Order: sequence, then C-alpha cells, then structure tokens
Amino acid sequence: GAVVSQHPSRVICKSGTSVKIECRSLDFQATTMFWYRQFPKKSLMLMATSNEGSKATYEQGVEKDKFLINHASLTLSTLTVTSAHPEDSSFYICSAVETSGNGDTQYFGPGTRLTVL
Amino acid sequence: EDQVTQSPEALRLQEGESSSLNCSYTVSGLRGLFWYRQDPGKGPEFLFTLYSAGEEKEKERLKATLTKKESFLHITAPKPEDSATYLCAVQGINDYKLSFGAGTTVTVRA
Repeated sequence: GAVVSQHPSRVICKSGTSVKIECRSLDFQATTMFWYRQFPKKSLMLMATSNEGSKATYEQGVEKDKFLINHASLTLSTLTVTSAHPEDSSFYICSAVETSGNGDTQYFGPGTRLTVL
Repeated sequence: EDQVTQSPEALRLQEGESSSLNCSYTVSGLRGLFWYRQDPGKGPEFLFTLYSAGEEKEKERLKATLTKKESFLHITAPKPEDSATYLCAVQGINDYKLSFGAGTTVTVRA
C-alpha cells in the first residue's frame, strides 16, 4: 500500500515552454501533498504545500507564478513549471500524506527529472 | 525553526560490519521523526516513524531508536543492497511539513 506515482519520470523541454508534472496517490486519498526540489547530492528542498480544494502555500523564495500548483482531487496534484529556463532544471519530487491511526506519513513519488535546454 | 543534523556525511562499510547513523534534532514540539532511504535518481522510500523517546522500530537489518535529542539508525550485518542515502526528518506539532537532514550516504562493499 501507500504508493505515489509521478508522471513523467523524465522530461526535456526548450527554454520558454511550460511543463506539467502529475503526482498521484494510487491507493489512498491525500488532502495534503508536497512538492520538493532536489539538487545533485543535496537533500530535499520543500517548494510548496498543496491542499485539496484550496490554494497552495509556497515556501519563502519560491515564485508562485512560476511554479503553479493545482490539487483538484484527493488523489492528484499537478506542478506546472511555466516559461521554464535552464536554471529550473532539477529533480522534482512530490509526496502525499496518508493519515491513519498510527499518525500521518509522507510517501514520496519516484521523482521527475526536468532538463531545460 | 526546526533543525536536523545527520552524521556522518558518508559511511563506507564492509559487508557484515554493523554501524550506526546519527540524527540530532531540535524542534518545538515533536510530532514524529521519520527515516527514509533514497537510492540515486529515485524518490525517498519510507522506513520508520518514531513518536516518543524510548521508542524503537525494526525492519530487517535496520533498527531505529529515539531520544529527546537524537535518533539512531543501526544497520546490523549490512549487505551491498543496503547501500543508499538515509534521510532523517522531523515533523513539528503545527503542521505536516518535514524538515530534512542532509543525509548519510552508506556504501557497503562485498
């Protein structure tokens, strides 16, 4: 159980284009999902909190107009990188919170490697 | 602000050589401490959640323990497939956010 998928796993795009990444919780419902960014050999950097049915909450320094987040259902959150530039190239990882009697656990997706040319 | 410090940064072990990873933390009210394993190019894989000092959890060759200031991840008789980066994270009582440490990269040689 507790499986989170991401699509696509890898994307290459030209500078100036927009890219959408999907995050799905496959076997549980998630009111809250998170989006992270990870640089090589570094730990995860939280970008934003995605709440179903409401606006995302962005961390300090993250441009909300550049990284658009939509959480339209209890199993799907999307991250759209608008007008992507080479500096946006990175590994993007989502997580979904599963709430159970044992507490709340974040399960992570496999990640999406974005390369902007 | 929550802070998590992991040590050592890297650990090279011979197969069968047991060792421990450290995670020191400061948090204003601990909801949970989490251990994840991350392989290169993949997302973190959930291992354990610890909620209170004195708690211990085990999974195969891994055992996690918790005190009021730190957590240890013990690897007993590791195998090459235990090679990965192990991430520690804390969750405060105010929300679901996790604060991650920088990780310990473990390499187990056959």
